[in-house]
Amino acid sequence: SQQGEEDPQALSIQEGENATMNCSYKTSINNLQWYRQNSGRGLVHLILIRSNEREKHSGRLRVTLDTSKKSSSLLITASRAADTASYFCATSPTGTASKLTFGTGTRLQVTL
Amino acid sequence: EAQVTQNPRYLITVTGKKLTVTCSQNMNHEYMSWYRQDPGLGLRQIYYSMNVEVTDKGDVPEGYKVSRKEKRNFPLILESPSPNQTSLYFCATSPGGTGYTFGSGTRLTVV
Repeated sequence: SQQGEEDPQALSIQEGENATMNCSYKTSINNLQWYRQNSGRGLVHLILIRSNEREKHSGRLRVTLDTSKKSSSLLITASRAADTASYFCATSPTGTASKLTFGTGTRLQVTL
Repeated sequence: EAQVTQNPRYLITVTGKKLTVTCSQNMNHEYMSWYRQDPGLGLRQIYYSMNVEVTDKGDVPEGYKVSRKEKRNFPLILESPSPNQTSLYFCATSPGGTGYTFGSGTRLTVV
């Protein structure tokens, strides 16, 4: 079963603009993670936010988490062509540290 | 270099012919997991393991087997592959259930 749903499914922006992706999930969680995937390759871990955190930053990435709404957002500031990829949220439900459930992803296209 | 190695990268096989996809990691990670990725469905967990000899089913375990006899290896076994198992498969590892490192993937076609 899919725990996370990303929105939008696809996003096209110009270089230098900000990109925002949203993730909604269904059950209570230990943490929520964001991953990036370049065209059929392995996923790369970007950032993790724990259930007791509301916001986290890493370089050009900003993640927010609203557990009352069961939602998270990933903001990429000053996007670059190299940010073109699919982005997935993944949740670890409460009490299941090893079970990680992914959403269906947002495909981001950054054009010059 | 820390890495997760999957083999083979590409495989075309026939229905019913047993196959094994290997996964090996050199990071001494406790957690290992297998996922399949299909268009429109995202990644779905097949099996996971929290330590040697400890494995459990994910969301789509039917038609797959795994074993964890040693920490570094976590092979995925398809005893009798069927066309609906045509997919892109990923092995992933983690020291404690967060921040997974993924292999490069195995693209399997069952005809």
